[in-house]
Amino acid sequence: GNSVTQMEGPVTLSEEAFLTINCTYTATGYPSLFWYVQYPGEGLQLLLKATKADDKGSNKGFEATYRKETTSFHLEKGSVQVSDSAVYFCALRDTGRRALTFGSGTRLQVQP
Amino acid sequence: DVKVTQSSRYLVKRTGEKVFLECVQDMDHENMFWYRQDPGLGLRLIYFSYDVKMKEKGDIPEGYSVSREKKERFSLILESASTNQTSMYLCASSSGPSGSRYEQYFGPGTRLTVT
Repeated sequence: GNSVTQMEGPVTLSEEAFLTINCTYTATGYPSLFWYVQYPGEGLQLLLKATKADDKGSNKGFEATYRKETTSFHLEKGSVQVSDSAVYFCALRDTGRRALTFGSGTRLQVQP
Repeated sequence: DVKVTQSSRYLVKRTGEKVFLECVQDMDHENMFWYRQDPGLGLRLIYFSYDVKMKEKGDIPEGYSVSREKKERFSLILESASTNQTSMYLCASSSGPSGSRYEQYFGPGTRLTVT
């Protein structure tokens, strides 16, 4: 079956620090990969996506590269801000499926 | 912008009550989904629908049912609410067939407490 494993949080960083949130996956087909973000009190918003191996998704300074050889899709940002504090979810949609499979989420806390 | 709305942000119900959670999307999407979100477990799929009156079970359908009578509306029903159904419920919609690269759009969520 499909699964997504994320690093456990919370991750606490100072403003302007470098961020990495690890995500690895198991899928039976050729999945599309997504990062969603959930700000306090809100639903999930798509942050970035990649639909095939070696694709790099990017948005708002965040980046993630689809690595088929290591089945990973790690989220990175060079300099985090307090406003990036949120819960980040890695997800995949496998070939032939309509629904997403989500990781457990990683809470990021950025301190001024 | 795609908009997915849910009927309530917060709901408190008693054990044994029948509970309806409503979701409406305004982008003519074929697919609609209900997830529940619990700390440490991420989002788990309850049911989804790929067309009017069509539905498929997700990973945790027990204790829930759904209804899709119109394309824009997808309802989640708790036939007899129990305390272990206290959770955040998220509705989502998307276009495209299976395996599509199209993203899912989420509503703001309904936090349900069953006492």
